[in-house]
This record gives sequence, C-alpha cells and structure tokens, in this order.
Amino acid sequence: EAGVTQFPSHSVIEKGQTVTLRCDPISGHDNLYWYRRVMGKEIKFLLHFVKESKQDESGMPNNRFLAERTGGTYSTLKVQPAELEDSGVYFCASSQDWTGYNSPLHFGNGTRLTVT
Amino acid sequence: KNQVEQSPQSLIILEGKNCTLQCNYTVSPFSNLRWYKQDTGRGPVSLTIMTFSENTKSNGRYTATLDADTKQSSLHITASQLSDSASYICVVSYPSGGSYIPTFGRGTSLIVHP
Repeated sequence: EAGVTQFPSHSVIEKGQTVTLRCDPISGHDNLYWYRRVMGKEIKFLLHFVKESKQDESGMPNNRFLAERTGGTYSTLKVQPAELEDSGVYFCASSQDWTGYNSPLHFGNGTRLTVT
Repeated sequence: KNQVEQSPQSLIILEGKNCTLQCNYTVSPFSNLRWYKQDTGRGPVSLTIMTFSENTKSNGRYTATLDADTKQSSLHITASQLSDSASYICVVSYPSGGSYIPTFGRGTSLIVHP
C-alpha cells in the first residue's frame, strides 16, 4: 500500500508569507494527525481529524495555523502569516484505529519548513 | 505535566553489540506506550506497542519492556546492525477529550559503527 505522503518536502519562506502543507494519508485511514518538531525539541501533537471532522485541535499553537480536511481525504495545514518560530519539521500521520493500539501511526516523511 | 524523558540522548556502539535505551514517563492516565524508529529524513516507524498489562514485547532483534508501576520502559537491541543507526523515540499515549494524545520523547540517537 502507498504510505503517507507529504508535500512539499522542504519549504523556505520569508516571515509574513503564507505556506500551505499538504498530506495524503493512507487510503482508508479515517484518522489523520498533524505533528510538529521544532529543532532540538520533541515531536508535538497539533491536531487530529476523524474523517473531515476535527476531533482534537488542542495542540494548535495559535490562530495563524489552519488545518482542513475537506471530504475526509487529504489534509492541508496553512500557516498565515508565518513567523520565525514556526520553523521546524511538520509531520502528518494516519491510522485506522483512533486509540492508537490496534494500528500504529503511519508517518509521512515530513515537510521541513524554514521561515527566514 | 505529561512528560516523556529518554536516555541516553545519544549512543555510539560497535556493530554486533547489544544496547538498551531508557524511557521514563509521567503521562497519566496511561493508554499505551510505543517505541518508534526514525531514520534521518524519514518519518517515525512503529517498532513495538505495550499496554498497561504487558511488560515485554519483542519484534525481531528489538525487545521492549514496560514497568507501569515505576513508569519506565526500555528498548533492548540485540546484535546491532549498521541499519540500526537511527533515532529511537518513546511515545506514551493518554486519553483526552474523546481522542488519544501521544506524548513524544526527544529520542535517543543511536550510531552503530562497523
């Protein structure tokens, strides 16, 4: 099966610009998650979709971040306007089982975002 | 505060040797604990998972242990190979607001030398 794919793999933008990250989960996975790893820190949860609904968005840092999953397939994460502290690697993951037990999180390779 | 602490931060071993990575957590309530392997430039890949009632789980040369009383886990790698060079991340999940939130450790960077 095809894995989780993320686009772009790298993005370099200036402070104040807008960037949109895309994630295509594994086909049939209703659960889609966004995570972020800031340099030197641990990976942190951003939000969780079940199909097209936001199940939990408690990890979203502020209202400059907007995630969507129209139609319950692929998802986008928009950062507008980007700030320097937004730099990091953004991971997307999907799973069949929302408890995380019966099926693990399948991660994409991440999008490395650099804000200058 | 829910935290996952891993040690050592980095480790260098010779090919063929064994090693043990540690994970201590304060996450509560506890749902499950997973160890992930992350190769450079790639996303993490699940190695093992354990719930509260399980204390050992093996996946090939990888053996994870869990002591839920002391909130400690370890990942033992036997007969290391060059391909084991990667970051190993301990992830502890807890239920919250209808979802399960994973809390990630910072990982242990393992380098296996020939």
